[in-house]
Amino acid sequence: GDSVTQMEGPVTLSEEAFLTINCTYTATGYPSLFWYVQYPGEGLQLLLKATKADDKGSNKGFEATYRKETTSFHLEKGSVQVSDSAVYFCASGVYGQNFVFGPGTRLSVLP
Amino acid sequence: DTGVSQNPRHKITKRGQNVTFRCDPISEHNRLYWYRQTLGQGPEFLTYFQNEAQLEKSRLLSDRFSAERPKGSFSTLEIQRTEQGDSAMYLCASSPGQGYTFGSGTRLTVV
Repeated sequence: GDSVTQMEGPVTLSEEAFLTINCTYTATGYPSLFWYVQYPGEGLQLLLKATKADDKGSNKGFEATYRKETTSFHLEKGSVQVSDSAVYFCASGVYGQNFVFGPGTRLSVLP
Repeated sequence: DTGVSQNPRHKITKRGQNVTFRCDPISEHNRLYWYRQTLGQGPEFLTYFQNEAQLEKSRLLSDRFSAERPKGSFSTLEIQRTEQGDSAMYLCASSPGQGYTFGSGTRLTVV
């Protein structure tokens, strides 16, 4: 079945450091790809998405590019802030059907 | 519109008791999804509805789990004869067809 794999955390960075969180997927079809963020005590919020190969999703300084050849959707940010501390989930899915989520990567950004 | 609402936010129950959670989706969203999230894991799909029709329920974890959406608006998820392993966050999401909006979840603790 479909699956999503993410780099294990926790990831601890200093403020203004560069962030990469790796994500790879397996899918029988041609899914859309997503990054969700979960702050403590809250539900999941959509951070960014890409719906086809070579699409780049971006939001709040975060970016990820849909790479079909490597089945990857790595999350990057050039300069992280303390407020970015959260758990990040990579997900794949076809709109209208259920999504498959990765296990999540906890990011802690230190001042 | 205040987004997807889930009640209660927290539920503590004794093993063997039945529990019911409620989800109120965004009013114009015709699709509603239930996921379970255990500690340190990503959300795991349980079931979903399009309007009042339950289109997928094979992923419900056992026959102790059931869900309804009687009028195509709010939904309930019931767990009968709860077990300690049912302790988790239960998330609801709604969608108009593209994109999910998640609620903040109901955290269940079975003691």
